[in-house]
Formats: sequence, structure tokens, C-alpha cells
Amino acid sequence: QVQLVQSGAEVKKPGASVKFSCKASGHTFARYHVHWVRQAPGQGLEWMGIINPTGDSTRYAQKFQGRVAITMDTSTSTVFMELNSLRSEDTAVYFCGREEAWTFDMWGQGTMVTVSS
Amino acid sequence: QAVVTQEPSLTVSPGGTVTLTCASSTGAVTSGYYATWFQQKPGQAPRSLIYRTDNKHSWTPARFSGSLLGGKAALTLSGVQPEDEAEYYCLLYYGDGGAQPYVFGTGTKLTVL
Repeated sequence: QVQLVQSGAEVKKPGASVKFSCKASGHTFARYHVHWVRQAPGQGLEWMGIINPTGDSTRYAQKFQGRVAITMDTSTSTVFMELNSLRSEDTAVYFCGREEAWTFDMWGQGTMVTVSS
Repeated sequence: QAVVTQEPSLTVSPGGTVTLTCASSTGAVTSGYYATWFQQKPGQAPRSLIYRTDNKHSWTPARFSGSLLGGKAALTLSGVQPEDEAEYYCLLYYGDGGAQPYVFGTGTKLTVL
């Protein structure tokens, strides 16, 4: 089945880091950019960053510059996003999605992260 | 960073027509912004309905259409169904040279009543 499978929910303390994974099942990322977006409880969607199909180019939202890193393991068709220096405002559901030529056609199921002391 | 603004909420009767818009703080939205429209229902991932301003996916119901209207991206629902009640977000592309390449709109909560 062609899908994006994300890692499970996490609970973290303020100041910690979290690393999400997004695995392509039944396909590869060979043609696709992978985006990460998040949604805090009761809030809208927020674009966080993107990695290109070969995994050697990334762009991030200004808000997260210096605190986020997206990487790709092409051998396992998995994209990772690490978010550092977590604060309570980072409590959200994080989604990965694939895109080709500004066409988004698939999203992961989302990963809930709770940041609490 | 640009701000992308949508109507906070809209209400439409079943069978009616409604247009949602997506405005950029930087000026008129053109085809070069490659507007995408997403539908999101509670507890679900977003689902793209319209890509590159006016293109439909194979799963997009025919009653949804995308366009440019008065300097904004627009999503029109004609013959609204109860299952169209959802949150709708636009996503605009600002190019690779700016502060960040993509910005989501603020979202529109569509109520079918």
C-alpha cells in the first residue's frame, strides 16, 4: 500500500529534542519533495520546512531557523525532522507530506508531540 | 514573512454555492504562487483538493473549483454537501529566494447549515 508512515507519539520535557520519522511505504521519494507542517491544538496549519528528492537541499520557515533540521535516508526512503530546544508551544501534531511540481498528493497520519514539564 | 489571510468562517446552506478566498500581504496572488487548497476534518491529515490554482486531483469532487479572483486565490463550492463541512486552508508558494518558500493561510471554517 502506497502511504507515508510516521513515527509514534512522543512526550518531551522543555529544552529537549525530538526526532520524527516519515517513511515511504510502497514507493520512494525519488521524485518528491517532502514537507513538514504542524498543527497546535485548535490552531491552523503551519509550514515548517522542505527537503528535496535527493536529500541534499532543505529550506525552513523563518520561525524555526536554527532549531530544526530535516534529513533523508534514501536507502530506507525515510525522512527525518529534528526539532530542538522544545517549549510548550511546540505541543502539536506534526505531519509529513509529499509534493511534486506543487502537487501535494499524500500525507502521513501525523505524530503528536506533547511538551510538558 | 508574508501573511496569508482567509475568511475565518463561512456558513452555507446545503445545495448552495460559496467562495473562499486567499489573500497575500505582499500583493495580488497570481498563477506563480501555485496555490493549493486543502480540506481538513477533525482528527485527520489535510487533503489536497486543488493544486496549482485550478487543477483537481482524481479524488476531488466536481463541485470544487479553484481560480484567481480579484487578486486572490479562490475556492468555489457549487452544490455544497453536508460532508463539505470542514476547515479549508490555502498554501501559497513564494519562491526559493525569499524568507521562506511556503506559507499557509489562516484557514476558513466552513459550516453547512
